[in-house]
Amino acid sequence: AQTVTQSQPEMSVQEAETVTLSCTYDTSESDYYLFWYKQPPSRQMILVIRQEAYKQQNATENRFSVNFQKAAKSFSLKISDSQLGDAAMYFCAYSGGSNYKLTFGKGTLLTVNP
Amino acid sequence: DAGVIQSPRHEVTEMGQEVTLRCKPISGHDYLFWYRQTMMRGLELLIYFNNNVPIDDSGMPEDRFSAKMPNASFSTLKIQPSEPRDSAVYFCASSPGQGAYEKLFFGSGTQLSVL
Repeated sequence: AQTVTQSQPEMSVQEAETVTLSCTYDTSESDYYLFWYKQPPSRQMILVIRQEAYKQQNATENRFSVNFQKAAKSFSLKISDSQLGDAAMYFCAYSGGSNYKLTFGKGTLLTVNP
Repeated sequence: DAGVIQSPRHEVTEMGQEVTLRCKPISGHDYLFWYRQTMMRGLELLIYFNNNVPIDDSGMPEDRFSAKMPNASFSTLKIQPSEPRDSAVYFCASSPGQGAYEKLFFGSGTQLSVL
């Protein structure tokens, strides 16, 4: 079974600084998709970024970028120029194989200090 | 589009009562997912549907839980009888095309408290 591990239950960053959230996963599939979702206090789940495993290029979305290391099964999220609105729970997630479902990690709570 | 709509937003009930959670997916989306979120277990997939057909219900905790999707625009998750350990936030999500290979669009969730 696929598993997703986020080893950092909590992280904090100063406003305008950069922070990296870690994620590792386990799979025997060769083709799959990885995601980072954000859950602010409103509890609405919001997609931050999506990576297709067959693409070598790391995905980026404005201040958000990933470091995808397929051989190491690592998928970290970098947030540059952190803003107060980035404070949220961040979930790493995996989808792959013939089963069209999404498996989430336990999450990392990010605090942004002014 | 209004997005995925869940109701109610909050539900407080007593142990033993029947609870029904409702979800309206985004029009045109072929996949619908029900997730449960707790502090201890995180986000767990309960069941998902493709074109109104249940595909994987291996996450449904026990027979007290049932889910239906009678048409493309409506799904329910029912708990009967409810127990305090069912207290959680229940999310519905929908996606087009290739299910969870694509972006999932989540509803705002139903906060369920079973006393």
